[in-house]
Amino acid sequence: EDQVTQSPEALRLQEGESSSLNCSYTVSGLRGLFWYRQDPGKGPEFLFTLYSAGEEKEKERLKATLTKKESFLHITAPKPEDSATYLCAVQATGNQFYFGTGTSLTVIP
Amino acid sequence: DAGVIQSPRHEVTEMGQEVTLRCKPISGHDYLFWYRQTMMRGLELLIYFNNNVPIDDSGMPEDRFSAKMPNASFSTLKIQPSEPRDSAVYFCASSLTLSGNTIYFGEGSWLTVV
Repeated sequence: EDQVTQSPEALRLQEGESSSLNCSYTVSGLRGLFWYRQDPGKGPEFLFTLYSAGEEKEKERLKATLTKKESFLHITAPKPEDSATYLCAVQATGNQFYFGTGTSLTVIP
Repeated sequence: DAGVIQSPRHEVTEMGQEVTLRCKPISGHDYLFWYRQTMMRGLELLIYFNNNVPIDDSGMPEDRFSAKMPNASFSTLKIQPSEPRDSAVYFCASSLTLSGNTIYFGEGSWLTVV
C-alpha cells in the first residue's frame, strides 16, 4: 500500500539549534517527492521537488535530501519565522498524490 | 493574480444541512483539486478536474459529496446531508500541470458540523 509517514509529529527547537525532519515513503514508482510549508490558517506552500535518490535542494536555511526510502528536511540554525508545519508528499507514476500528516515545528527565540 | 480564492472561510452548520464550498482558481490553470485536511488523516485528495472535466473522484468519501466545475473560473464542493465527521478544513488548489511543484492552494474553508 502506498503511504507517506512523517516524523516527528512535533518538534520544538531553540533558535539556532539545527535538526532534521523525516519523511519515509512506500510508493509503487516515484515520480517526485515534494516538501511544502503550511502556516496556521493557510494552505500549503511549495518548497522543493526531488526526483531521484541522491538529489539535494537548498533554500536559505532549509535543505532537502532524498534516498530510495526516505527524504530529510534539514533545518540549519533555525529562526522563529521558520515555525510552521512542514508537509511531505509523493507523486506516484500513476499521478496519485499522497501527503504525510506533517511535522509541526516551533522555533523558540 | 490574487491566488486561489475560497469561500466561505469558516462555516458552522447543523448535522443534516447542506454545505456548499466555493473556489475560484488561478486564471490559466488547467487543473483544479479539492482536498480535505484533518489531524488524523492529513491532506486527502477528494477530486480533481482537468479543463473543467472531473478526472479522478475516487477520493470522494461517499454519495453525500459532489463537486462541479461549470467553467474555468469556478468550482463547488457540496455536502448533503452534512455529518459531524465531515468537520475538517477543505482546500481548493489549482495548478498548471499535474506536478506538485506548480500547485497553489487556497486558504481553506474551515467546516464544523455540529
